[in-house]
Amino acid sequence: KNEVEQSPQNLTAQEGEFITINCSYSVGISALHWLQQHPGGGIVSLFMLSSGKKKHGRLIATINIQEKHSSLHITASHPRDSAVYICAVLGGSQGNLIFGKGTKLSVKP
Amino acid sequence: NAGVTQTPKFQVLKTGQSMTLQCAQDMNHNSMYWYRQDPGMGLRLIYYSASEGTTDKGEVPNGYNVSRLNKREFSLRLESAAPSQTSVYFCASSVGLAGNYIQYFGAGTRLSVL
Repeated sequence: KNEVEQSPQNLTAQEGEFITINCSYSVGISALHWLQQHPGGGIVSLFMLSSGKKKHGRLIATINIQEKHSSLHITASHPRDSAVYICAVLGGSQGNLIFGKGTKLSVKP
Repeated sequence: NAGVTQTPKFQVLKTGQSMTLQCAQDMNHNSMYWYRQDPGMGLRLIYYSASEGTTDKGEVPNGYNVSRLNKREFSLRLESAAPSQTSVYFCASSVGLAGNYIQYFGAGTRLSVL
């Protein structure tokens, strides 16, 4: 049973399109994380949120605690947004992060 | 500003060989982690260190040992490598334990065990 489910697994978009990536989780959380893994493999944290919405540039993350669901939106997508986007929540018995399998985004020029 | 530095970047081992993956952070973080990433799976926690002097098992600790050498350094050791340990390994650090703090990741070590 996956505690963190992401959809879609793969997403191809045209440059300029609005992108939505979804994350559903089955455990109680204090915070949800969105991360980006570059094609070269490096991982960076994009957002950490526990309620409402956060915005950074063209990226917007929202969370609905009651529905146990979060979305990551990218406005005016660009080929440099091509990456794997990973959702993670606090859920392990050790108090550690549980990661989704990621959504692979490819933005075509 | 280096952040989290992992060495080596690539390694090929034969079954039964041993090796140590090194990780150092320069952000004065208390907590450090070792993850493995396998195709089709999310990152999985191998071991973590909540603070200097403590280490704890994560989700997949079998076949690994760790040492929190000091506040900066957290190493992962494979005593007798097995093909099932072929993976990409990431070290990460955070101010405090994972849930409420952003984690900063190293560039990863790609390990192949033949």
